[in-house]
Amino acid sequence: EPEVTQTPSHQVTQMGQEVILRCVPISNHLYFYWYRQILGQKVEFLVSFYNNEISEKSEIFDDQFSVERPDGSNFTLKIRSTKLEDSAMYFCASSPREGVEQYFGPGTRLTVT
Amino acid sequence: AQSVTQLDSQVPVFEEAPVELRCNYSSSVSVYLFWYVQYPNQGLQLLLKYLSGSTLVESINGFEAEFNKSQTSFHLRKPSVHISDTAEYFCAVTETELWGGSQGNLIFGKGTKLSVKP
Repeated sequence: EPEVTQTPSHQVTQMGQEVILRCVPISNHLYFYWYRQILGQKVEFLVSFYNNEISEKSEIFDDQFSVERPDGSNFTLKIRSTKLEDSAMYFCASSPREGVEQYFGPGTRLTVT
Repeated sequence: AQSVTQLDSQVPVFEEAPVELRCNYSSSVSVYLFWYVQYPNQGLQLLLKYLSGSTLVESINGFEAEFNKSQTSFHLRKPSVHISDTAEYFCAVTETELWGGSQGNLIFGKGTKLSVKP
């Protein structure tokens, strides 16, 4: 069964460094999402992406964040200058069409020291 | 704006006992409803969904949830739990009417940790 994959599973970085989290969505899906979950808190929406552009973003998704679909398979989340409060589990998700179920990857745990 | 409330952060039960995990939502528009499950050290897996039709939906592993529009609830139930059901369960909603660029982002509750004891 097709699944969403994410790499790396765990990323440790120093404050101020740039990180890129990678995702490979399910191949025939058109809508892509990033969510994050700070330890002990709820899963929060960051950004949605469709037709090679951002469709919607939350207040969390500030200028330090960017997303890209550099080729036909990868979907990346970049944090330009990481802060301690960016430490969280980051989930990628994809969906075959808008407004229906989303399929999540296993997540990347980002630890900023 | 939508919100989801899962009042129970932890639910301990004994194996073969029934369980109900509560989910209430708030929205000014119609919503689709989902339950996701997160097993230890794994990602979120779709457990079941309500999009339309019958208000009672079932999963392949014995869970069911009922959409109650008047009570704005979507509680998850299982008549007899197994040790393997130990996980965290998340209720989520998204709007049915997408407008203003919305692409159906999910709003999650805080999750309920179900712990099944032998």
